[in-house]
Amino acid sequence: GENVEQHPSTLSVQEGDSAVIKCTYSDSASNYFPWYKQELGKGPQLIIDIRSNVGEKKDQRIAVTLNKTAKHFSLHITETQPEDSAVYFCAARWDGGATNKLIFGTGTLLAVQP
Amino acid sequence: GAGVSQSPRYKVAKRGQDVALRCDPISGHVSLFWYQQALGQGPEFLTYFQNEAQLDKSGLPSDRFFAERPEGSVSTLKIQRTQQEDSAVYLCASSLARGEQYFGPGTRLTVT
Repeated sequence: GENVEQHPSTLSVQEGDSAVIKCTYSDSASNYFPWYKQELGKGPQLIIDIRSNVGEKKDQRIAVTLNKTAKHFSLHITETQPEDSAVYFCAARWDGGATNKLIFGTGTLLAVQP
Repeated sequence: GAGVSQSPRYKVAKRGQDVALRCDPISGHVSLFWYQQALGQGPEFLTYFQNEAQLDKSGLPSDRFFAERPEGSVSTLKIQRTQQEDSAVYLCASSLARGEQYFGPGTRLTVT
């Protein structure tokens, strides 16, 4: 079945450093890849997404890259700040089916040390 | 504007009890999803509604789980005869057709 693998499971960086989280998906039909940030006790919040017709997308300090051939996509956070500390989830979806369900990775706990 | 709301935020149930979890989606969102999130894991799909039609319930773990959205707005996830393995956070999300999914804060269910 569909599967999304995410690495690393935990990541600790110093404030101001960059952080990179990587995901691999199994369903080659997937064409939509969002990233969510989840803070303790809250629901996931969409922070950036990318569609399969685009290789890279940036929004201020956040960027996502997609390699469809290798079925890899990555989240890049530059100039990290303590408020970036949270659990980050990647997800994949196929927009061609009857269901728009998201398949999530297992999450990355990012800790930004002041 | 108002986001997705869920109630209750926390629910403790004794094993064998029935529970009902409510989701109020963003106004105008035709798509509504339920996900289950176990501790330390990513959300897992349970079921999907387009308006009042339940188009996919392939993720419901057993026939003890039932979801409805009778008027195409508010949805209720019901779990009958709760078991300890049902303990999790239940997340609701809504979207415009094939759009970004916006999540509610979740309901944390603990079965004792």
